[in-house]
Amino acid sequence: DAGVIQSPRHEVTEMGQEVTLRCKPISGHDYLFWYRQTMMRGLELLIYFNNNVPIDDSGMPEDRFSAKMPNASFSTLKIQPSEPRDSAVYFCASSLLGGSQPQHFGDGTRLSIL
Amino acid sequence: DQQVKQNSPSLSVQEGRISILNCDYTNSMFDYFLWYKKYPAEGPTFLISISSIKDKNEDGRFTVFLNKSAKHLSLHIVPSQPGDSAVYFCAASDRGSTLGRLYFGRGTQLTVWP
Repeated sequence: DAGVIQSPRHEVTEMGQEVTLRCKPISGHDYLFWYRQTMMRGLELLIYFNNNVPIDDSGMPEDRFSAKMPNASFSTLKIQPSEPRDSAVYFCASSLLGGSQPQHFGDGTRLSIL
Repeated sequence: DQQVKQNSPSLSVQEGRISILNCDYTNSMFDYFLWYKKYPAEGPTFLISISSIKDKNEDGRFTVFLNKSAKHLSLHIVPSQPGDSAVYFCAASDRGSTLGRLYFGRGTQLTVWP
C-alpha cells in the first residue's frame, strides 16, 4: 500500500518567492495534518483537515501561510512570500478517525529559504 | 504550552541493554498514547500505542507502561539494538474530543552503541 506521499522532497528558493508543498494522503483516511519540524520548536502542528474541511489552523504562523484540501486525495501548503525563518522540514500525515488512530507520516519536504 | 513533555533530549545505551524513554503529560483528558520512531530524512513511523484503560502494552522488544496517577508513560526496549538508534516521539490524544489531533513531545534521541 502506498503511504503518504509528499513532494518535493527538497526545495531551495530565494526569499520572497512563493513555495508550494504537496501531499497525497493514504486513500480512505479522513484526517490530514501539516506539521513543521525545527530544532527550536520540535514538531509543530500547523493545520489539520477532516473530510477536506479545515478544523484547526491556529498553528499557522502567519498570514503568509495557507493550506487547502480541494479533494480527499490532495492537499497543498503554500508560503507566500517566503522568508529565511520558514526554513524547516514540513511533514504531512493522515489518519482514520483523527486522534483515535495512529497518524501515518510522509517523508517530509526539506525547505531552505536563502 | 507543551501538554506532552519529554525531558531527556538524548539517551545513550549499550547494545543488549534496556533502553527506557520517558514522557510526561499534563492533560488529564488524554486517554490514548503513542510512540513514534524517526530516522534521519524520514517521517516519524508509528511504533506502539496504549489506551488509558491499560497500564501496559507489549509488542516484541517494545513495551509501553502507563501510570495515569503520575501522568507518566515510558517506553522500554529490550534488548536494545544499534538499529534502534533514532529519535523517539511520545504523543497523546483525547479520543472523546471532536478535535481529533495528537499532541507530540519534543523527542528523545536514542543512541545504541555496540
